[in-house]
Amino acid sequence: AQKITQTQPGMFVQEKEAVTLDCTYDTSDPSYGLFWYKQPSSGEMIFLIYQGSYDQQNATEGRYSLNFQKARKSANLVISASQLGDSAMYFCAMREIREGAQKLVFGQGTRLTINP
Amino acid sequence: DSGVTQTPKHLITATGQRVTLRCSPRSGDLSVYWYQQSLDQGLQFLIQYYNGEERAKGNILERFSAQQFPDLHSELNLSSLELGDSALYFCASSKRPANTEAFFGQGTRLTVV
Repeated sequence: AQKITQTQPGMFVQEKEAVTLDCTYDTSDPSYGLFWYKQPSSGEMIFLIYQGSYDQQNATEGRYSLNFQKARKSANLVISASQLGDSAMYFCAMREIREGAQKLVFGQGTRLTINP
Repeated sequence: DSGVTQTPKHLITATGQRVTLRCSPRSGDLSVYWYQQSLDQGLQFLIQYYNGEERAKGNILERFSAQQFPDLHSELNLSSLELGDSALYFCASSKRPANTEAFFGQGTRLTVV
């Protein structure tokens, strides 16, 4: 079964610094996808970035980039120039596909706090 | 705004009762997923529908059921509610059953008292 591990329950970062949120995964499937979601205190799940296992380049979306190291089975999220509004829970998830159906397997999340 | 609409946002009900959570997917999305987020279990996949048909089942209790209607909206029915069913229930949608994007609604916070 697929598994996602986020080892940092909480992180505290100064505003404007870059931050790296760790995510490691375990799968025997050759084709998979990795997602990052942000969950602010209001509760909604906001899609941030996606990386496919066959993508040659690391995914980037604005201030978000994914440091994908396939051999190490890691997919860390990097947020550049952090802002107060980045304070939230962040979840790493892996797409599991079985018989054409998809589900996301989530890690336990990392609570990021940006200090002014 | 993800384009996925869930109603109601909050629901408080008593043990033993039955509730229905509603989800309207993004325009053009045929696949709907339901997830449960609780403090002890984290985020867990419940069930997936594609164009009206069930495609995948996760850790969904027998007391829970779901369906997707011809207009593609979906409903999650929770019956014989227990205190442990208190959680945030999310709906997500994507264009196809296996897709690179899955956008979530704002969730329905269910409190069972």
